[in-house]
Amino acid sequence: ETGVTQTPRHLVMGMTNKKSLKCEQHLGHNAMYWYKQSAKKPLELMFVYNFKEQTENNSVPSRFSPECPNSSHLFLHLHTLQPEDSALYLCASRLGQIDYGYTFGSGTRLTVV
Amino acid sequence: AQSVSQHNHHVILSEAASLELGCNYSYGGTVNLFWYVQYPGQHLQLLLKYFSGDPLVKGIKGFEAEFIKSKFSFNLRKPSVQWSDTAEYFCAVTPTTDSWGKLQFGAGTQVVVTP
Repeated sequence: ETGVTQTPRHLVMGMTNKKSLKCEQHLGHNAMYWYKQSAKKPLELMFVYNFKEQTENNSVPSRFSPECPNSSHLFLHLHTLQPEDSALYLCASRLGQIDYGYTFGSGTRLTVV
Repeated sequence: AQSVSQHNHHVILSEAASLELGCNYSYGGTVNLFWYVQYPGQHLQLLLKYFSGDPLVKGIKGFEAEFIKSKFSFNLRKPSVQWSDTAEYFCAVTPTTDSWGKLQFGAGTQVVVTP
């Protein structure tokens, strides 16, 4: 375990479904991130939360909706996804400016059918 | 905006061979540089990082990387690989001015080490 826990590990959903991905860390980190990892492509930064405040939204479609209720939890709400949204979704956290290294979760493998 | 280019998408080599993975970035200012590794079925882990100082940095598991500022490069090396080094390797960059260190990743290099 990395200290960053993502659930579920695998998710298959239809294009009309609504689901949520969850990320949880108890490392005392105060920045949390969602990345999308697709085959043969660079990891794509989706959202950044700093002290529960969203500081970045990299032109992500509105069918992805993040939520950060506190500094330990991060959600990614999904609705009406497309097959091209199938990917590995990674959560990461970081302790402010002291250490730029991320701690990554193991990811949620999402398949949209 | 910065970008990161990893030259090889797939590398196959034998145990005890030397490994060098190329990474170039494009950005006009100063950067912090990272190499991450993802072993099969596992999470991304930090191998090493460069912030400042000695451009030759040593990381875990015998890996090292050299920052050549004039070439905008941060190549990863290991003198003698093992089967357990089979993994995907990612180079990442963040501007030093980005206080929250949003990382720009390369596409990754899949390394397969054969016995």
